[in-house]
Amino acid sequence: RKEVEQDPGPFNVPEGATVAFNCTYSNSASQSFFWYRQDCRKEPKLLMSVYSSGNEDGRFTAQLNRASQYISLLIRDSKLSDSATYLCVVRRGNSGGGADGLTFGKGTHLIIQP
Amino acid sequence: EPEVTQTPSHQVTQMGQEVILRCVPISNHLYFYWYRQILGQKVEFLVSFYNNEISEKSEIFDDQFSVERPDGSNFTLKIRSTKLEDSAMYFCASSGDSRGYTFGSGTRLTVV
Repeated sequence: RKEVEQDPGPFNVPEGATVAFNCTYSNSASQSFFWYRQDCRKEPKLLMSVYSSGNEDGRFTAQLNRASQYISLLIRDSKLSDSATYLCVVRRGNSGGGADGLTFGKGTHLIIQP
Repeated sequence: EPEVTQTPSHQVTQMGQEVILRCVPISNHLYFYWYRQILGQKVEFLVSFYNNEISEKSEIFDDQFSVERPDGSNFTLKIRSTKLEDSAMYFCASSGDSRGYTFGSGTRLTVV
């Protein structure tokens, strides 16, 4: 089983639509969870951290289900500028503190169409 | 907004040569990382560095690789005797705690 698994897409959605991404992770000891965004041939950029209680940042809502080892991201009122690859990222928490490496999913490619 | 700076942006090297990729992390960050992304593949963890020593490394980070913090600002990744399969984008990142990793814009390494 892959450590972090995502639907690769692409998701083609019209501007203004709501789109949802899902992600599953295999390591039940994982400590921290994130969504990153990556534009073509650019570096990953942190979109938001994901908390157990769920959290929202403007048009973006993230949810975490530890029991199911499942993470989601919802984008409302999508904009053309939301077109990118969305990376589900998990911190393994093997060595404690901030030194642990991140485990990335392969990403879901989103295309917003005018 | 503070940035992680990487140089060069693109490096072409012949197979078997050594390369050094350079990074300047955010000044008050304590944790430093190298990741790589082969074209079309996922981002992969290579190594983390804290308090002037390696904290964790992946299976990819074998004896061919080394990291160094030669002064108070730079963080380098050395790849000895490069192979064709080392061609990838290499990202440096830094963090002040367990959240909020900031990535540099990357060095595209092409081994010919």
